[in-house]
Amino acid sequence: GQNIDQPTEMTATEGAIVQINCTYQTSGFNGLFWYQQHAGEAPTFLSYNVLDGLEEKGRFSSFLSRSKGYSYLLLKELQMKDSASYLCAVRDKSTGYALNFGKGTSLLVTP
Amino acid sequence: EAQVTQNPRYLITVTGKKLTVTCSQNMNHEYMSWYRQDPGLGLRQIYYSMNVEVTDKGDVPEGYKVSRKEKRNFPLILESPSPNQTSLYFCASSSGTGELFFGEGSRLTVL
Repeated sequence: GQNIDQPTEMTATEGAIVQINCTYQTSGFNGLFWYQQHAGEAPTFLSYNVLDGLEEKGRFSSFLSRSKGYSYLLLKELQMKDSASYLCAVRDKSTGYALNFGKGTSLLVTP
Repeated sequence: EAQVTQNPRYLITVTGKKLTVTCSQNMNHEYMSWYRQDPGLGLRQIYYSMNVEVTDKGDVPEGYKVSRKEKRNFPLILESPSPNQTSLYFCASSSGTGELFFGEGSRLTVL
């Protein structure tokens, strides 16, 4: 099994930077994913890390430390449309490459 | 257009009345999966399939069945639905090591 933890809620101001943390414990780590989900909609893919380090993609960056079981998603120049739930998910070789999700972090961007 | 299609999108049914939620993908993906999403519990995997005729239980398989007779289709069957199966259901597919692509979701209410 796995344990994936991320904060339940966060609030940030438009134009600011926010960091959403995720810690995990898994026996067969095979990659960490971040998804964005707006209320009532399907999750959409944001980023993927399998090696340690930072992956940058426009306003979004994701970092991974496998030895610490830790990742974060960094959102820069926040916009109102970034208000959504952000899901951390870990792929595990020992469970047939299934993607197991944390409970998500609900981010509210305020003016 | 690459997509995962689920039907129905919305359904209200009664306890004990068998129902099937269909899922189809046009990306030739080998891996398909079903999740349910409930407030405070996040996305939880019900069943997954690594390939045709290969299915396996996820974290919450009780009360559900699946089949994978063709690569593109992965229906979710509720033989005797109960109110605790009221939820938002997502089908997803991937190439195995890549990102998961989600369907738009099926909101099921069991009275």
